[in-house]
Amino acid sequence: EVQLVQSGGGLIQPGGSLRLSCTASGFMYNIYEMNWVRQAPGKGLEWISYISSSGNSISYADSVRGRFTISRDNAKNSLYLQMNSLRVADTAVYYCARFGKLNWYFDLWGRGTLVTVSS
Amino acid sequence: SYVLAQPPSVSVAPGQTATIICGGTNIGDHSVHWSQQKPGQAPVLVVYDDSDRPSGIPERFSGSNSGNTATLTISRVEAGDEADYYCQVWDRPSDHVVFGGGTKLTVL
Repeated sequence: EVQLVQSGGGLIQPGGSLRLSCTASGFMYNIYEMNWVRQAPGKGLEWISYISSSGNSISYADSVRGRFTISRDNAKNSLYLQMNSLRVADTAVYYCARFGKLNWYFDLWGRGTLVTVSS
Repeated sequence: SYVLAQPPSVSVAPGQTATIICGGTNIGDHSVHWSQQKPGQAPVLVVYDDSDRPSGIPERFSGSNSGNTATLTISRVEAGDEADYYCQVWDRPSDHVVFGGGTKLTVL
């Protein structure tokens, strides 16, 4: 089955760190570009980071640049998001999402994992 | 940075046609993609590259894009179409994905 399985997440105090993981199965992960998208409670979708298929090209939204790090391990079919200096405003459901082969649309999503930043 | 504007809500009766717009400066120069999100679920792509449908998406879903407005049209609306709909583009100058704020479709 073609899917993205997410892990990580949970309750963390402000200023803390957390790492999210996303494991792909059912497709050739190493040829696809990947992203992280988040959704704060009751809010819309917010793209936060992109990584190319090789990992050589990366971009971040201004809201997380300098605090979050995206990475991937193609040998393990995995995508990661290292989140440091977490803020209350980072509280959200975090989704990993695959870009389509031919253009920059999200054609496959993980089920999401909730990150709650609170003291 | 590039901004996409969507109406917060649209309401339509079953069997009628729903039109959801996405506004952006010269959005017609971008490829626009639309995703549907039902409560508690991950988004699902319903239209990509302005007007193409992924496999498994009903023909009732269609899209267009020109000038400063992209449009998602849902014909013969069903109760199961009730969801939030998001437009999305890739903003090349910033190498960022941009989402619209989302439109909540209510089926009356």
